[in-house]
Amino acid sequence: SQKIEQNSEALNIQEGKTATLTCNYTNYSPAYLQWYRQDPGRGPVFLLLIRENEKEKRKERLKVTFDTTLKQSLFHITASQPADSATYLCAPRGYSSASKIIFGSGTRLSIRP
Amino acid sequence: DVKVTQSSRYLVKRTGEKVFLECVQDMDHENMFWYRQDPGLGLRLIYFSYDVKMKEKGDIPEGYSVSREKKERFSLILESASTNQTSMYLCASTNRASGQNTQYFGPGTRLTVL
Repeated sequence: SQKIEQNSEALNIQEGKTATLTCNYTNYSPAYLQWYRQDPGRGPVFLLLIRENEKEKRKERLKVTFDTTLKQSLFHITASQPADSATYLCAPRGYSSASKIIFGSGTRLSIRP
Repeated sequence: DVKVTQSSRYLVKRTGEKVFLECVQDMDHENMFWYRQDPGLGLRLIYFSYDVKMKEKGDIPEGYSVSREKKERFSLILESASTNQTSMYLCASTNRASGQNTQYFGPGTRLTVL
């Protein structure tokens, strides 16, 4: 069955450093991979989408990579700030709008001042 | 600004009660979804709908049913609530365009079944 793995351990980073989160998937060949941010007690919010033919995507301090050979996506936050503290979810997706989104269980990121 | 709203942020019900969770979106999206989220298990899909009056089972439909009578509204029904249905329930919607479509989530309903 399709499986998405994110680092279940919380990630603690010093403010100003780069945070790197990992998303690995198995038994799946997604056409897209989405990343979401979720704050406590709230619904996830979409951040970035990367396509299978894109190696890297950037948005302000965020960078996502997508390696279809390794079946892995990395999510980077540069110059991290305490306001970046949240849980980050990855969500691989097929081509068709009929394919449902599967979410990873998320990695909790804490940025200490 | 796109918006998905859920009828309640917090809900406390007793075992055996019938529970209705309502979700409304104002983006004219075709697709709507209900998830539950539990610590360590992540988001799990309960039901989804691609159109009015259409529904599809997700990964964990047992104990739940849904209703989509209008495009903007998707209801989740717990026919007879049980304590193992205590969870955070999240509604989401997307347009039909393609697999690129992102999901817009509501704020969630934290349901406690006593």
